Amino acid sequence: EDQVTQSPEALRLQEGESSSLNCSYTVSGLRGLFWYRQDPGKGPEFLFTLYSAGEEKEKERLKATLTKKESFLHITAPKPEDSATYLCAVKNQAGTALIFGKGTTLSVSS
Amino acid sequence: EAGVTQFPSHSVIEKGQTVTLRCDPISGHDNLYWYRRVMGKEIKFLLHFVKESKQDESGMPNNRFLAERTGGTYSTLKVQPAELEDSGVYFCASSHRAKHNEQFFGPGTRLTVL
Repeated sequence: EDQVTQSPEALRLQEGESSSLNCSYTVSGLRGLFWYRQDPGKGPEFLFTLYSAGEEKEKERLKATLTKKESFLHITAPKPEDSATYLCAVKNQAGTALIFGKGTTLSVSS
Repeated sequence: EAGVTQFPSHSVIEKGQTVTLRCDPISGHDNLYWYRRVMGKEIKFLLHFVKESKQDESGMPNNRFLAERTGGTYSTLKVQPAELEDSGVYFCASSHRAKHNEQFFGPGTRLTVL
């Protein structure tokens, strides 16, 4: 069964304290790994798509990387406005649906 | 450009009643998806429309749920009759046929069944 597991469930950082979020997955024929950001009361906001092992994408303080079994979302020198829930999702070879993990809730304090 | 909109933002109903959720996708997006997040669980796929046709409805939990997409524009998701376990946040997403991997989500409808 296709599955996405994110860790940790929650992460508290001081402003400027870099860290990484983990997304491990098992999927039949990966057709893409997706990172989303979700703020309270809002829908997920698309960040990145990764397709193959070794691929990396960057956006401001965020950098996503992909291996054959997991993805990392690295946050460099985070700011309070980076506080949100970060969701990881995959697509398998069969369908068009996103298969989500439960997310990591990040809190950055100044 | 307007994003995906959903109505209502919140709905509180009694068990056994009927509720209809509406989603307006981004203009020009042929693909429309419904997802649901119940308390403490991950977001789960319900179904996928391409224009007015149901492409994949493998995630629909049972026949109390009926989704339609009139004329390939907005979509409705009706729950009839609602049960307690239907409570959760229902998200709609849309994507362009040329960039189908980039799904844009609406703010969701929070449904509470009492």
